[in-house]
Amino acid sequence: AQSVTQPDARVTVSEGASLQLRCKYSYSGTPYLFWYVQYPRQGLQLLLKYYSGDPVVQGVNGFEAEFIKSNSSFHLRKASVHWSDSAVYFCAVSDTEGADRLTFGKGTQLIIQP
Amino acid sequence: GGIITQTPKFLIGQEGQKLTLKCQQNFNHDTMYWYRQDSGKGLRLIYYSITENDLQKGDLSEGYDASREKKSSFSLTVTSAQKNEMAVFLCASSIWDRYSGNTLYFGEGSRLIVV
Repeated sequence: AQSVTQPDARVTVSEGASLQLRCKYSYSGTPYLFWYVQYPRQGLQLLLKYYSGDPVVQGVNGFEAEFIKSNSSFHLRKASVHWSDSAVYFCAVSDTEGADRLTFGKGTQLIIQP
Repeated sequence: GGIITQTPKFLIGQEGQKLTLKCQQNFNHDTMYWYRQDSGKGLRLIYYSITENDLQKGDLSEGYDASREKKSSFSLTVTSAQKNEMAVFLCASSIWDRYSGNTLYFGEGSRLIVV
């Protein structure tokens, strides 16, 4: 069974600084990988997703993620954060057999300092 | 675009009471989900349904029932509410394609409060 680890429960970054949120997955093959964002009192929204092709995938609002198979990682990055990026970010994985289930990490809360 | 509507936004009940949450989607998606969100524990799958009248148990199905009588709706029942079940319940629907897998679309959540 697949699993996802987000090792940082909370990350604090100054506005304008760069960001990396870490995600490691466990899956024997090449999985589908996702990053979702949850703003306060809202549901989750898709930021980006990856299955194949260029290992660096672009998402909304300047976010990108890089799939590194040798490290089983799919870290999320942004070059310069804005206060509106404050939210909880979830990494998720599903297998490639048409399965209907996503497995989510526990989430990382991003706090932006002025 | 479509929308997922969850009702009610807040559900307050007493211990031992049977409580039901409802979810509607107008994406025309086949698959729908109920997740429970607890602070610091992420999302845990309770039930999902791949088509009308189908039900599949997730990792946290004990103490819950679900119903999918129409393609557009999926309800979740807490069979006997307990105070340790206070959480946010998220409904989602999804579309699958072989190039990007299952992409889920979420509602805004329903908060369960047990008094």
